[in-house]
Amino acid sequence: GQNIDQPTEMTATEGAIVQINCTYQTSGFNGLFWYQQHAGEAPTFLSYNVLDGLEEKGRFSSFLSRSKGYSYLLLKELQMKDSASYLCAVRDPNSGYALNFGKGTSLLVTP
Amino acid sequence: GAGVSQTPSNKVTEKGKYVELRCDPISGHTALYWYRQSLGQGPEFLIYFQGTGAADDSGLPNDRFFAVRPEGSVSTLKIQRTERGDSAMYLCASSLTGRGEQYFGPGTRLTVT
Repeated sequence: GQNIDQPTEMTATEGAIVQINCTYQTSGFNGLFWYQQHAGEAPTFLSYNVLDGLEEKGRFSSFLSRSKGYSYLLLKELQMKDSASYLCAVRDPNSGYALNFGKGTSLLVTP
Repeated sequence: GAGVSQTPSNKVTEKGKYVELRCDPISGHTALYWYRQSLGQGPEFLIYFQGTGAADDSGLPNDRFFAVRPEGSVSTLKIQRTERGDSAMYLCASSLTGRGEQYFGPGTRLTVT
């Protein structure tokens, strides 16, 4: 199996930058995903990393270090609507398709 | 275009009853997945379809759970003899191929009383 750890909750101020960390332990590696999930809604795709380094997509960036089993999601210029749960998921190395999710980080953006 | 749709959005049933949850994937997506999400947890994989066949049902918790996708499009998750512990959000996702980005539907909130 895989052990995926993320902080449970974070709070940040509107306009600021926040970094949400994710560590994972896996016997192999097949890609890491970040999803955003607003309360009562479906997860929506944010980013995908399979190689080491930073992937930038507008206000959101995601970083991966495979040797350290570590990723982070960076959110810049925070807006109130960014208050949501952020889910880190690792693609199952055996099946190659199922996603194994962490418990999610609940981010609260305050004025 | 239309995203993944799921019906019903909410389902309340009594313990011991049978329920069916429906998923309509994005048109043309060959891969379909069911996940279950409890409050405060991430989604948990249940079953994966490639076309009409269940390629991996290792995540189904027990034999009360069953899913079908007879024509390679719409899928139905079936739960027999429901228990209170089955209460959760049931999410369906689809992707163009088995290794592609997964698009999630809005989910069905199942409550077993």
